[in-house]
Amino acid sequence: AQSVTQLGSHVSVSEGALVLLRCNYSSSVPPYLFWYVQYPNQGLQLLLKYTSAATLVKGINGFEAEFKKSETSFHLTKPSAHMRDAAEYFCAVTARSGAGSYQLTFGKGTKLSVIP
Amino acid sequence: NAGVTQTPKFRVLKTGQSMTLLCAQDMNHEYMYWYRQDPGMGLRLIHYSVGEGTTAKGEVPDGYNVSRLKKQNFLLGLESAAPSQTSVYFCASSYSRAARGLAGGLSSYNEQFFGPGTRLTVL
Repeated sequence: AQSVTQLGSHVSVSEGALVLLRCNYSSSVPPYLFWYVQYPNQGLQLLLKYTSAATLVKGINGFEAEFKKSETSFHLTKPSAHMRDAAEYFCAVTARSGAGSYQLTFGKGTKLSVIP
Repeated sequence: NAGVTQTPKFRVLKTGQSMTLLCAQDMNHEYMYWYRQDPGMGLRLIHYSVGEGTTAKGEVPDGYNVSRLKKQNFLLGLESAAPSQTSVYFCASSYSRAARGLAGGLSSYNEQFFGPGTRLTVL
C-alpha cells in the first residue's frame, strides 16, 4: 500500500521568496512520484514526475523536486515565487494494483499563497 | 485534441434524485478514473477502468456506479443522491509509459490527465 503526507495544508510566501512544499511518502515497492498543480476552478495539471531516471527532477514553471529515498521525501521547490504560482499543489505516489491498473494515491494538498 | 472533457460542469440535485456524469477522452487511453475532491481530503478514487467493458472499485465506491461501454467514455452514476455526495468530481485518463531507471532497467508507469471537473451539489 502507498500513502502520501503533505506537511502544511497552507503555505504563504512573499513574492520572490523560496517556495518549499513538503511531501513524504510510504510505499512497500519502489515508487513513482508526481506533483500536480490545481489553479482555482480548474483540473489538475502535471508539474513534474519522478520515474527513477534521475533523483533531481525539473518541471514546468521553474519548479523542481528531489527524490530522497533515505528520507522517503519528494519535496517541491522553486527559488523565487511569482504571483501566478498561487494554487493548490498535490503530491501523489503510484504503484501497480492487483487488477493491473496503475492508481495514484494523493496527498491532501497544500495551498500556496503568494504575498505581493 | 480536446483531451479529457466532462459533462456537465455544474449540477444541483435534490436528495434521492439520480444523475450520470459523462467523461470523454480522445487520446486513446486504456485507463480511466473517477475521483472526488473534498476540502482537506485531496482526491479520492471512486472507480476506475483498465479497458473497455471493465470496471473496478476504488477507495470510496459506495453510492456510485460506473460503466465503460466505449473506450473513450467513462460514465459515473448516482442512483440516489445524498448530501454527502456534494463534491467536485474529476475524471482522468492514462496510458502506460516506459521509464528507464538509474541502473538501466525498464519499468512502466501511468501518467494521468485530468478533466476540468464537475461541481455537484446535493440538497
